[in-house]
Amino acid sequence: KNQVEQSPQSLIILEGKNCTLQCNYTVSPFSNLRWYKQDTGRGPVSLTIMTFSENTKSNGRYTATLDADTKQSSLHITASQLSDSASYICVVSAYSDKLIFGTGTRLQVFP
Amino acid sequence: DTGVSQDPRHKITKRGQNVTFRCDPISEHNRLYWYRQTLGQGPEFLTYFQNEAQLEKSRLLSDRFSAERPKGSFSTLEIQRTEQGDSAMYLCASSSLSGATNEKLFFGSGTQLSVL
Repeated sequence: KNQVEQSPQSLIILEGKNCTLQCNYTVSPFSNLRWYKQDTGRGPVSLTIMTFSENTKSNGRYTATLDADTKQSSLHITASQLSDSASYICVVSAYSDKLIFGTGTRLQVFP
Repeated sequence: DTGVSQDPRHKITKRGQNVTFRCDPISEHNRLYWYRQTLGQGPEFLTYFQNEAQLEKSRLLSDRFSAERPKGSFSTLEIQRTEQGDSAMYLCASSSLSGATNEKLFFGSGTQLSVL
């Protein structure tokens, strides 16, 4: 069964600290992996998209990594800001164009 | 604003009533998706259109749900005889069929439905 699992479910950090969110997937055949940021009451916004051949991709203070062999991805946030408080959703795409969404990690950044 | 637009942002209705939501995708995008999201969960796929053709429907889309995209531009999602379990955020997303498997999906801000 195609599944995307994220951990931790929720995370609280202090402003300025770094954090890493995890994503494990069992989707096959794999096409690409995406990370989205979703603010409360808003739609998800794309952060990164990585294909099979890409190991890492950065978008400002966000860096995503992908290990297609172990089917794991991580999203690292550097020097967190209050505005980083949101849910971060890992999404894996199969070659059928079907997107499988994880349940997200809810991040709260406190001053 | 050239993003995906959804209307209304919020809808409160009584059980048994019909509701209709509208989505205006990014103008040059030919693919349009509807998702449903409940609190603490990721979005769940409902249906998608390529131009005016509805190409796939999830088994989550019961016969009370219907979606249209008559001219290949905006889309509507109608829920008939609403039930309390229909309460959720309904998200619309669009993308352009460029042939690339990593085409970016752009989401609207959603319509939050509350069924009393």
